[in-house]
Amino acid sequence: EPEVTQTPSHQVTQMGQEVILRCVPISNHLYFYWYRQILGQKVEFLVSFYNNEISEKSEIFDDQFSVERPDGSNFTLKIRSTKLEDSAMYFCASSLTDSNQPQHFGDGTRLSIL
Amino acid sequence: LAKTTQPISMDSYEGQEVNITCSHNNIATNDYITWYQQFPSQGPRFIIQGYKTKVTNEVASLFIPADRKSSTLSLPRVSLSDTAVYYCLVGPPGNGGYNKLIFGAGTRLAVHP
Repeated sequence: EPEVTQTPSHQVTQMGQEVILRCVPISNHLYFYWYRQILGQKVEFLVSFYNNEISEKSEIFDDQFSVERPDGSNFTLKIRSTKLEDSAMYFCASSLTDSNQPQHFGDGTRLSIL
Repeated sequence: LAKTTQPISMDSYEGQEVNITCSHNNIATNDYITWYQQFPSQGPRFIIQGYKTKVTNEVASLFIPADRKSSTLSLPRVSLSDTAVYYCLVGPPGNGGYNKLIFGAGTRLAVHP
């Protein structure tokens, strides 16, 4: 079964540094998402992306965050200047359409900010 | 999006059937009910989705009464590997802006030998 893959599995970064989290969605999927989960807390929606633009973003997704689909296969989340509170698991997901189709999640990148 | 309420935790034993009920009193006419499962250190995984009555797949069954104000996820003959957090999500399909998933705290299911 096709999978969403995320790299790296664990990223350790100094506060204030830029970090890029990478995802390869399922190849024929058209909708892409990022979520995050702070340790012990709920999975939170960050952003959805379709047709090379953001379709919706949450309050968490401020100016420090950006997403990009640089080529036909990758989908990236960039945090420009990381803060301690950005430490979390970041999950990428994709779906075939936005209508009633399940979202398929990767296994996440654990981001640790020191 | 409809608010959902589900038990914080449940315990079961291997081989038993587990039923997890989710309340969603404010469900809208075009809302669907979707369940996801999350193992530790993994992303959520889609289990099942339904609109009304009963839906069954190879993993689980979903029972939705006529008023749709609740739903029950049924896991037949659980094993230790079913230990996970189970999330009930309610919302409308599609149309951009509705495709975000809103997760609650979920139900932490522990299956014991």
